[in-house]
Amino acid sequence: EAQVTQNPRYLITVTGKKLTVTCSQNMNHEYMSWYRQDPGLGLRQIYYSMNVEVTDKGDVPEGYKVSRKEKRNFPLILESPSPNQTSLYFCASSPFIGYNTDTQYFGPGTRLTVL
Amino acid sequence: GQQVMQIPQYQHVQEGEDFTTYCNSSTTLSNIQWYKQRPGGHPVFLIQLVKSGEVKKQKRLTFQFGEAKKNSSLHITATQTTDVGTYFCAGPGYGNQFYFGTGTSLTVIP
Repeated sequence: EAQVTQNPRYLITVTGKKLTVTCSQNMNHEYMSWYRQDPGLGLRQIYYSMNVEVTDKGDVPEGYKVSRKEKRNFPLILESPSPNQTSLYFCASSPFIGYNTDTQYFGPGTRLTVL
Repeated sequence: GQQVMQIPQYQHVQEGEDFTTYCNSSTTLSNIQWYKQRPGGHPVFLIQLVKSGEVKKQKRLTFQFGEAKKNSSLHITATQTTDVGTYFCAGPGYGNQFYFGTGTSLTVIP
């Protein structure tokens, strides 16, 4: 089954404790992306990657890191989480066609609480 | 930076009434996509519009892309309880960034 998986689905942590949220897709998509969703703000892009070893900042990259060592995986790293990073996080992937992205397929989401 | 706004933020309708959400971008978009997110779920792609003035229909849903390619709308005719959720517009920005609108949350009262 074509899908995007994220782990963990729920995480409660404390300020400053490094964490990683994993994301994996089995559709051989070039484009992968991380978003955070906050009430009234919609989804805001954190980082995106157009292919292996190619990553770029989105709208809200501060406090986050990503890597793309393999095409299928795109982990999101919070080196020193802070309470303002409490949010719902979505990973998404998409075929990359020309200069426009195509349909984005979303993972189930990770609800992160930083105390 | 680029902004994509949607109005209204919330809409409550009686089942059977029509519903419309409007999307406005601060810059011209090469294409616009619409997604639906059910409560507790993840966004799911509905449709993509590419051409200026384009209109597409999916059963009771009608999607429009403005002539200037800076705005779009989604209209639902005769809403049903299955239409409940948050509707987002989205489009590509500079350097392959992707921007989502602020979303419209639809509640349908049986």
